[in-house]
Amino acid sequence: SYELTQPPSVSVSPGQTASITCSGDKLGDKYACWYQQKPGQSPMLVIYQDSKRPSGIPERFSGSNSGNTATLTISGTQAMDEADYYCQAWDSSLNYVFGTGTKVTVL
Amino acid sequence: QVQLQQSGPGLVKPSQTLSLTCAISGDSVSSNSAAWNWIRQSPSRGLEWLGRTYYRSKWYNDYAVSVKSRITINPDTSKNQFSLQLNSVTPEDTAVYYCARGAVGATLNWFDPWGQGTLVTVSS
Repeated sequence: SYELTQPPSVSVSPGQTASITCSGDKLGDKYACWYQQKPGQSPMLVIYQDSKRPSGIPERFSGSNSGNTATLTISGTQAMDEADYYCQAWDSSLNYVFGTGTKVTVL
Repeated sequence: QVQLQQSGPGLVKPSQTLSLTCAISGDSVSSNSAAWNWIRQSPSRGLEWLGRTYYRSKWYNDYAVSVKSRITINPDTSKNQFSLQLNSVTPEDTAVYYCARGAVGATLNWFDPWGQGTLVTVSS
């Protein structure tokens, strides 16, 4: 079965850059997207098609995808960015697959 | 702006059927470009896609292998909503259930927006 693996946690200081990785076999051959989920809330799309931002998502959120790894980068991280982040891709055999999730802590 | 509003019971007994509804505003369940999905989230299983319904001249359904024998997703065009039924539930089906809009195709693989979520507990 297809799996997407993320680090359980990432810590970042305010104003610094946070990078969250998502690893999967030949993930670069698929489109990856990313969701932000704050406590008690539903997931919210922040990146789709590897690097595109939906309307209303700040420019500090960016994405890339190559080889076996997709990366979500938060530049100039703010306290409001503290949340869980999930990657997701589509696999032809299992349909939609989500990553294991990364908790971003802004110290 | 598309909004999804979920409704349904938060407690289901083992072996019974879990039923949830997702009402759509700002779009149509019969849209020729959207697909209407159910996704659940639990500490043990993480985020798990369950299935979808969509209309492309006729109605189609796709279901995750893990629940395929127990799940039904139906559109209701008269109320512009869609529903989830999961049969023969066990405590392992305890999760927060979300509805979400998506599309069909490998290049259109994201979900946006999501419903508010419904915590469903399977317990006697």
